[in-house]
Amino acid sequence: DIQMTQSPSSMSASLGDRVTITCQASQDIGNNLIWFQQKPGKSPRRMIYYATNLANGVPSRFSGSRSGSDYSLTIISLESEDMADYHCLQYKQYPNTFGAGTKLELK
Amino acid sequence: EVQLVETGGGLVQPGKSLKLTCATSGFTFSTAWMHWVRQSPEKRLEWIARIKDKSNNYATDYVESVKGRFTISRDDSKSSVYLQMNSLKEEDTATYYCTTSLSLLNYGSYWGQGVMVTVSS
Repeated sequence: DIQMTQSPSSMSASLGDRVTITCQASQDIGNNLIWFQQKPGKSPRRMIYYATNLANGVPSRFSGSRSGSDYSLTIISLESEDMADYHCLQYKQYPNTFGAGTKLELK
Repeated sequence: EVQLVETGGGLVQPGKSLKLTCATSGFTFSTAWMHWVRQSPEKRLEWIARIKDKSNNYATDYVESVKGRFTISRDDSKSSVYLQMNSLKEEDTATYYCTTSLSLLNYGSYWGQGVMVTVSS
């Protein structure tokens, strides 16, 4: 199975900060990666698909990038509504696998 | 409007069975691939099963931890996907979600609200 190593597991940041969350794939997954945002008591919300594409309705302060086997979700100018858990998912191969998640909190 | 609604969760003893249903509307169910994903109490997400559409012979895949115990199935006439869970273990305790991939680029766009399954004696 493909392992997705997500970091950090948690972080605190201030409003207006630039934040980056990373997932590293244990095997080649191409661009077959999705980033989800999840708020307490809610279902996951797709933010980025195919590694770098912004999903419908997602603010432009979110972006996705890839460098080799490292995939990043970046939020420029953090807003209070961005406080949530973030998860990456690879769908290159079955079983699809998630990262362990990142809890983003307000400093 | 796309909707996915999971039902069938609850409290069940270890070794027992439970069947989850995900009823859908608002999209062409018959050509969609359907997935079940669960979230542990520690909030870790785990993909557990997928069923393809008729043109792909309703092919299924499972994560190793549920193979032989869980079965994903679908009824295109009811626009519903099911998860039959047998020989339940305490570690199966989670919130179970269904999601869909209407296309590879659409995967994960739509989710149900989730249903809680608690396995405990």
